Amino acid sequence: DQQVKQNSPSLSVQEGRISILNCDYTNSMFDYFLWYKKYPAEGPTFLISISSIKDKNEDGRFTVFLNKSAKHLSLHIVPSQPGDSAVYFCAASANGANSKLTFGKGITLSVRP
Amino acid sequence: GAGVSQSPSNKVTEKGKDVELRCDPISGHTALYWYRQSLGQGLEFLIYFQGNSAPDKSGLPSDRFSAERTGGSVSTLTIQRTQQEDSAVYLCASSSSSAGAGTQYFGPGTRLLVL
Repeated sequence: DQQVKQNSPSLSVQEGRISILNCDYTNSMFDYFLWYKKYPAEGPTFLISISSIKDKNEDGRFTVFLNKSAKHLSLHIVPSQPGDSAVYFCAASANGANSKLTFGKGITLSVRP
Repeated sequence: GAGVSQSPSNKVTEKGKDVELRCDPISGHTALYWYRQSLGQGLEFLIYFQGNSAPDKSGLPSDRFSAERTGGSVSTLTIQRTQQEDSAVYLCASSSSSAGAGTQYFGPGTRLLVL
């Protein structure tokens, strides 16, 4: 049973436009959510996170939105740049710090110049 | 500062052989995690260390898999009698309590291929 779902395997957007990456979860015990970015042959790099007590967190071009009632979160990248092309993983943890992460399968973002 | 390092970066082995994978976490990070990523899949949790103890081993897929951590630093993941389904990228991550709840920093991974 997959507790974190990224239902779209890929997304292609034009440079300068907005990229919206979606993620759904089923476990109501999750209280912390993260997005990681991964380039080929490298480990995942932490991008942005959000606690379940918030509904929005912004860091530069990246904003994460959390809708707890819908068990849905999304990552917005504005404006998208070619260097953003990578695989993006949504992850979630329960019970706060130093808890294992449950990952989605990832979505491949391609930003066209 | 130095990030998480893993060795070897690539490992090819024959079915039935044992392999050892090493992880060097970020200095001062008390928590260490092992994950693996099979082809086309997300990262799958294997084991979590807090200091030298492993309070959560729930992700280890079989008793062929074991891990240890000594001195609160380096960790070794051992796979005995490897099988072809063990082929995956094995990723190590570390975190500290000051990094924010759940923020884990990953190494580059070890790509294991079992022939």
